[in-house]
Amino acid sequence: DQQVKQNSPSLSVQEGRISILNCDYTNSMFDYFLWYKKYPAEGPTFLISISSIKDKNEDGRFTVFLNKSAKHLSLHIVPSQPGDSAVYFCAASAYNNNDMRFGAGTRLTVKP
Amino acid sequence: DSGVTQTPKHLITATGQRVTLRCSPRSGDLSVYWYQQSLDQGLQFLIQYYNGEERAKGNILERFSAQQFPDLHSELNLSSLELGDSALYFCASSVDSGGPTGELFFGEGSRLTVL
Repeated sequence: DQQVKQNSPSLSVQEGRISILNCDYTNSMFDYFLWYKKYPAEGPTFLISISSIKDKNEDGRFTVFLNKSAKHLSLHIVPSQPGDSAVYFCAASAYNNNDMRFGAGTRLTVKP
Repeated sequence: DSGVTQTPKHLITATGQRVTLRCSPRSGDLSVYWYQQSLDQGLQFLIQYYNGEERAKGNILERFSAQQFPDLHSELNLSSLELGDSALYFCASSVDSGGPTGELFFGEGSRLTVL
């Protein structure tokens, strides 16, 4: 069952513009959300997270927004850089649950 | 370098065979997670161990099993292999058992090809 969904398999943006990656979830018990970034031939690496008590978390060029009522989160990258080109995975977990569910990933390409 | 080590990096085998994938977590991490990534699929959660005990189970087939040893390394055993088992298998570790602080540190993965 796909409890975490990333409906856009790919996204292409121009360098300097904003990249917006979206993620939807179905399990209302999820209360912690993370974004991971994956380069080819490497494992995913943690990028940014947000707790359900917040609706926004910012770290440099990366901002994650959470809309609990819509069960939707998004990752904004501003400005986008060619080095941001990677696959981005959305993940979610629930307090006192011990697994983390991932979406299918979105491949971001930032063109110079 | 995440500090999580997975071996082997690549493995080619035939249908019906059995393989073992190995994972050494980051120093100090008690939790080990196994994920499967098939072509164009997300990371499918298989199983989690915490300090030697199974803590959570996901979409793991009965032909697959795992364990975590006293030194905290983990092995994922895949038996009666089928073509569809070809995938990238990731191990991840974390300090605690997951939950609100559940940042995972991933290894580079083991790519299994079943012919």
